[in-house]
Amino acid sequence: NAGVTQTPKFRILKIGQSMTLQCAQDMNHNYMYWYRQDPGMGLKLIYYSVGAGITDKGEVPNGYNVSRSTTEDFPLRLELAAPSQTSVYFCASSYRLAETQYFGPGTRLLVL
Amino acid sequence: AQTVTQSQPEMSVQEAETVTLSCTYDTSESDYYLFWYKQPPSRQMILVIRQEAYKQQNATENRFSVNFQKAAKSFSLKISDSQLGDAAMYFCAYRPVQGGSEKLVFGKGTKLTVNP
Repeated sequence: NAGVTQTPKFRILKIGQSMTLQCAQDMNHNYMYWYRQDPGMGLKLIYYSVGAGITDKGEVPNGYNVSRSTTEDFPLRLELAAPSQTSVYFCASSYRLAETQYFGPGTRLLVL
Repeated sequence: AQTVTQSQPEMSVQEAETVTLSCTYDTSESDYYLFWYKQPPSRQMILVIRQEAYKQQNATENRFSVNFQKAAKSFSLKISDSQLGDAAMYFCAYRPVQGGSEKLVFGKGTKLTVNP
């Protein structure tokens, strides 16, 4: 199993550009999550999904959108990138809602 | 609101010695999970150990063990026989079993340095 994979590893965006961060898992987990980690801080939940076609907002959803068309994939869309979105983004998945989350390697995003 | 506090921004330990990282949390829930995650320079979040609040026995994984004090809302991580590869950021995290259990609440982390 590859576990949770994320692409790209690093990206520089200009203000106002858009991009999609990709996340995939091969563990047949129903639950998937997107977090962001700002410098010197712990992770904060952006969006999560309890299964294909079902998503919900987390703690810091503004400026982001998600979709979940398959169990395996959970892309995160940034529209109109802003410097405040400079961060490291982590995707995670779990088999059940309250169980251990397994994290991907992260995507570092720099918005200039 | 549920919060997790790690009061030690940085810690250091000599190789082969033991170090304890502190974590306290605030919650009104009675059933929850607690976790320690390790984040090495590669930035990947790696699960170190997990504790269910209903279990009185402290969790252990090889050289890693916890001291879970439910009444005091304390959850410290002990690393024995420290190795150079243990150098990383360590995050304590909380998750309720019910209501809001989609979200892991993280502390701000403790940076652990292991000196040879």
